[in-house]
Amino acid sequence: EAQVTQNPRYLITVTGKKLTVTCSQNMNHEYMSWYRQDPGLGLRQIYYSMNVEVTDKGDVPEGYKVSRKEKRNFPLILESPSPNQTSLYFCASSPHPLSYGYTFGSGTRLTVV
Amino acid sequence: GENVEQHPSTLSVQEGDSAVIKCTYSDSASNYFPWYKQELGKRPQLIIDIRSNVGEKKDQRIAVTLNKTAKHFSLHITETQPEDSAVYFCAASQGISGGYQKVTFGIGTKLQVIP
Repeated sequence: EAQVTQNPRYLITVTGKKLTVTCSQNMNHEYMSWYRQDPGLGLRQIYYSMNVEVTDKGDVPEGYKVSRKEKRNFPLILESPSPNQTSLYFCASSPHPLSYGYTFGSGTRLTVV
Repeated sequence: GENVEQHPSTLSVQEGDSAVIKCTYSDSASNYFPWYKQELGKRPQLIIDIRSNVGEKKDQRIAVTLNKTAKHFSLHITETQPEDSAVYFCAASQGISGGYQKVTFGIGTKLQVIP
């Protein structure tokens, strides 16, 4: 089944404790992206990647890191999480975002206390 | 950068009526416009899309129209059903410098279909 797999689905952590949210897709898509969803703010892009080793900042990259060492994987790293990073996070992939829509992962609800 | 405005933010309709959600974009270089439906507690899912060389596209009860001159596009849902209740997001995609592509979303419209 073609899908984007995110883990974990739920995570509660403490301020400053490094964490990684994993994302993997099995569709051989070149383009992958991370979004956060907050009430009243819609979906805001954190980082995106056009291909292996090619990444760039989205609209809200502060406090996040990403890497794209393999085509299928695009982890999101929070080096020192803070409460304002409490949010619902979605990973998404597309063959080409100028012509095709995203396939989204199931989401990760992160709470930083 | 691109700015996508979406309205209304909430919309209530009676079952069987039509619903229209409108989006405007700022960057004339945007050339692909997908719409997503997000049911409560679930991931956004692509429901329909339109490319800049097309003015209208239909898929059963849903349709999307695009006016490039005015830089706006709309989602039309006819004969609404309770299962249409969800949050709907519009988006605009454009190529940017360096060969990158960027996707910008609207803030979403919460549609409630009243039985």
